[in-house]
Amino acid sequence: NAGVTQTPKFQVLKTGQSMTLQCAQDMNHNSMYWYRQDPGMGLRLIYYSASEGTTDKGEVPNGYNVSRLNKREFSLRLESAAPSQTSVYFCASSRAQLGNTEAFFGQGTRLTVV
Amino acid sequence: DQQVKQNSPSLSVQEGRISILNCDYTNSMFDYFLWYKKYPAEGPTFLISISSIKDKNEDGRFTVFLNKSAKHLSLHIVPSQPGDSAVYFCAARKNEKLTFGTGTRLTIIP
Repeated sequence: NAGVTQTPKFQVLKTGQSMTLQCAQDMNHNSMYWYRQDPGMGLRLIYYSASEGTTDKGEVPNGYNVSRLNKREFSLRLESAAPSQTSVYFCASSRAQLGNTEAFFGQGTRLTVV
Repeated sequence: DQQVKQNSPSLSVQEGRISILNCDYTNSMFDYFLWYKKYPAEGPTFLISISSIKDKNEDGRFTVFLNKSAKHLSLHIVPSQPGDSAVYFCAARKNEKLTFGTGTRLTIIP
């Protein structure tokens, strides 16, 4: 049972380059999330998707775009990478039913922008 | 504007003793509160949660207490074990979105 799978695990980009972080879940969850983790900042929500075809901005959406391709997949795109986007990125999913609160996280993608 | 705060960046506790991790929040509209544990190079894993209408939830060695009037929650781990050494994040839910605190690094001393 894979849970939430993120690719790649590591990436180095030059300033101005673009890339897409991939995320897939096999738990038939409705909701999917992208977070970034920075030292001293905890996990901050970038974008959120309540269901296929819907997305919503989180706390720090600037510089990012997302696509909820289908129920399983939720991708995060950096169109023009900046050093400030150096971070560890986590994808998560949850069933998002009333009373069911648990979100499952992937292993993370460590991104460095030079 | 940080809505979920963990004011202690680190905590050291002797093995076998009680670990108490604290979290404060400002938004009274949060309906669930959760604790996550994170090891290096891994994603956060869910530990325990509590509904805003309850004041205590227990699961084995882990108990979460919620004081709504003080907008404060705490995680008690007893007895503490070496494998509990990790970073602990509290999180609060509103409209299916989780807002996380900055984390507390717990070190269990053998």
